Amino acid sequence: EAQVTQNPRYLITVTGKKLTVTCSQNMNHEYMSWYRQDPGLGLRQIYYSMNVEVTDKGDVPEGYKVSRKEKRNFPLILESPSPNQTSLYFCAPLAGGEQYFGPGTRLTVT
Amino acid sequence: AQSVTQLGSHVSVSEGALVLLRCNYSSSVPPYLFWYVQYPNQGLQLLLKYTSAATLVKGINGFEAEFKKSETSFHLTKPSAHMSDAAEYFCAVSGLNDYKLSFGAGTTVTVRA
Repeated sequence: EAQVTQNPRYLITVTGKKLTVTCSQNMNHEYMSWYRQDPGLGLRQIYYSMNVEVTDKGDVPEGYKVSRKEKRNFPLILESPSPNQTSLYFCAPLAGGEQYFGPGTRLTVT
Repeated sequence: AQSVTQLGSHVSVSEGALVLLRCNYSSSVPPYLFWYVQYPNQGLQLLLKYTSAATLVKGINGFEAEFKKSETSFHLTKPSAHMSDAAEYFCAVSGLNDYKLSFGAGTTVTVRA
């Protein structure tokens, strides 16, 4: 069964405390994306990765980092979170022209 | 660059009535078009997609959408709303060789008994 796993699902943290949101997929897909969802703005792409060690910026990359050391994992890193990064985050592998969305991570930065 | 406009942030329909959600796109290249549904506290699920084959696309749960190039539209319809259709719906577009989805702002559907 195709599966996208994100951890944690919910996180409340404080400004400046580094955090990582993990994403793992069991579909062996090369292309993966991170999106953030905000009310009234829909979803916006943060970063994407075409394959291992190949990543690039999306529309809203400021304040985020990613890495792709192996095909199945694509973690999102917030080195110094700020309140404007409070959002719902989705990891999304791509297969057959279709993006599969993970269950989401709700992040609150106080 | 591609972009999507969804007309109406909220739509309220009676159970059994037609559901019509409007989506207009702008794209410099022939697009792929998608409709996603998001139920409360869940991720996004693909309802249907247009990939330059038939202009009338049928999806899951009785939804369908028609691609109209002349109107740059991809409106989503369902003939008879069910209570379980209450959710947020997103229209999205990507280019043929572009792996990024550009999303509309979303339309929240409520269904009245």
